[in-house]
Amino acid sequence: EVQVVESGGGLVQPGRSLRLSCTTSGFTFGDYAMSWVRQAPGKGLEWVGVMRSKAYGGTTEYAASVKGRFTISRDDSKTTAYLQMNILKTEDTAVYYCLRGREYFDYWGQGTLVTVSS
Amino acid sequence: DIQMTQSPSTQSASVGDRVTITCRASQSISSRLAWYQQKSGKAPKLLIYQASRLESGVPSRFSGSGSGTEFTLTISSLQADDFGTYYCQQYSSYSWTFGQGTKVEIK
Repeated sequence: EVQVVESGGGLVQPGRSLRLSCTTSGFTFGDYAMSWVRQAPGKGLEWVGVMRSKAYGGTTEYAASVKGRFTISRDDSKTTAYLQMNILKTEDTAVYYCLRGREYFDYWGQGTLVTVSS
Repeated sequence: DIQMTQSPSTQSASVGDRVTITCRASQSISSRLAWYQQKSGKAPKLLIYQASRLESGVPSRFSGSGSGTEFTLTISSLQADDFGTYYCQQYSSYSWTFGQGTKVEIK
């Protein structure tokens, strides 16, 4: 059974940093790109970024709203993906979902809430 | 970025009704479109990818069609379990973008 579990969310002040983790099991992690999508309270879905598998260079793409502040990484040996979020803004407040896939997303975690507030 | 516009924003329908949701892209995305269902407090669930391919395990009452800039998601006979918000998503050109959502309410 495929499982995707996010952790690391919480309350953080504007300008600070936070790292989210995405722990997975039930599939060959190294074969898949891993993505992040967020959802502000009461709002729709916003794609954050993707990291391709090593076979495709392990390269990343980001939404303009987070480019230069957020970094996606992965540790295939731990079947875990990460989202490093720096210089957080109040508008980054959202539930952050980790997803399997690059183009469309067949497995989602339950999400972790990040609240950016002073 | 490619803009995705869904209509209607809200749809109220009875069990057994045929429900159609439309998604329009601001430029051609070929067939690079997915549909998701989200229930309150839960993560979205993939229903359709490549505009018309049904994800494994999704009931056959769900279907998708379209290409280019206009797409539809159809629920052939609405069931009580189908309430929720439906989103389209394009994956033709980075950044991927989602529609604003269509809330389906059961009468």
